[in-house]
Order: sequence, then C-alpha cells, then structure tokens
Amino acid sequence: AQSVTQLDSQVPVFEEAPVELRCNYSSSVSVYLFWYVQYPNQGLQLLLKYLSGSTLVKGINGFEAEFNKSQTSFHLRKPSVHISDTAEYFCAVRNTGFQKLVFGTGTRLLVSP
Amino acid sequence: KAGVTQTPRYLIKTRGQQVTLSCSPISGHRSVSWYQQTPGQGLQFLFEYFSETQRNKGNFPGRFSGRQFSNSRSEMNVSTLELGDSALYLCASSLESAGALGTQYFGPGTRLTVL
Repeated sequence: AQSVTQLDSQVPVFEEAPVELRCNYSSSVSVYLFWYVQYPNQGLQLLLKYLSGSTLVKGINGFEAEFNKSQTSFHLRKPSVHISDTAEYFCAVRNTGFQKLVFGTGTRLLVSP
Repeated sequence: KAGVTQTPRYLIKTRGQQVTLSCSPISGHRSVSWYQQTPGQGLQFLFEYFSETQRNKGNFPGRFSGRQFSNSRSEMNVSTLELGDSALYLCASSLESAGALGTQYFGPGTRLTVL
C-alpha cells in the first residue's frame, strides 16, 4: 500500500518570495507522483506529474518538482509566488498498475502582499 | 476539448434518502474514478470504472455504488444517507492507450449536504 505525507498543513509566504511545499511518500512498488491544486469551491487541477525520466519536472504556472527516490520525496517549488497562487495543494501517488490515487492531507499556501 | 463535467454541482438531502450523482468524462476517456473529499478524512478513493466494469473499489460501505454507461458517462449512488456522507464528490477521467494508464483529470465536484 502507498501513503503520502505532507508535513506542512499551512505555509504562509509573501508575494514574490520563493516557496517549497514538501511531500514524502511510502510505497513498496514503483509509483507515479502528482501535484494537484485546488482553488476554493473547485475541483482539482493537475500541476505536474512524474512518470519516469528526468527527476526534475516542470508544470504549469511556474511550478516545478523534483523526484528524489532515495529520500522518497517529491517536493514542489516555485521561485516567486503570486497572490493568485493562494490555494490548497495536494501531493498524490499511484502505483503503475491501478488508477487509484492516494492523496496527502494537503498544504494550504497563503500568499500575502 | 471540454473538461470533466459533474451534475448537479450542489445537492441537499436528508438522512435516509438516496442520491445519484452524474459525471461526464472528457471525450475519448474511458476510465472514470470517483473520490470523496471531507475535512476530516481528506480525499479518498471510492471506485473506478472502465468500459462499464468496476475495476477497483475503495474501502466504503455497500451503500456507495456506481455504474458506467456505454458512452463512458458514470453515475454514483449513495443509499440511506448519513450525516457523515456530507462531502465534495469528485469525478476524474483518464485516457488509456495500449494498456497504459493515463493521468486523471478532475471535474468541479458535487457538493452534497446531508441534513
């Protein structure tokens, strides 16, 4: 079985500052990794995904994440955040054989001016 | 291409009633998954359908059921509603090709409130 840990429930940051949202996972099999963003009263939007290949993946809205197999981490980063990035961010894993996503508990990113 | 659509967006029911939620996947997507999102339990997998067959099921009671039609549209049903069933129900669709599972794209969700 897989599990995902997002240690930070809330991350406050000032506009134009860099941010890192942490994600660690546990799995006994190969997994795919995802970051989704959820704005208030909306569904989940895919930010980026790691399936294979380069461990640094780039997504939409200037976000990127690095897959680190030895540390079983998939942290999300953005060099300069905007007010509009205020939202909840979910890290998720899925094994290669099934369509079941296992989500972390989410990190609320609060960007203030 | 239109995204995943879910109807209705909001629903209010009372305990003991049943409810049916609908999901239309992205055109060409044949896999549909359902998730429940609550403040206490977070996002949890309910089930997944592919070509009208349930392929995977999460740890939910039998009151939660679903089906998929030949056009890939899916419905989920919850019978004998309980207060704890109040949640945002999210549907996701994905494209499969040559047996490779695709990325899931989510709809806006149906907000169910049980009184």
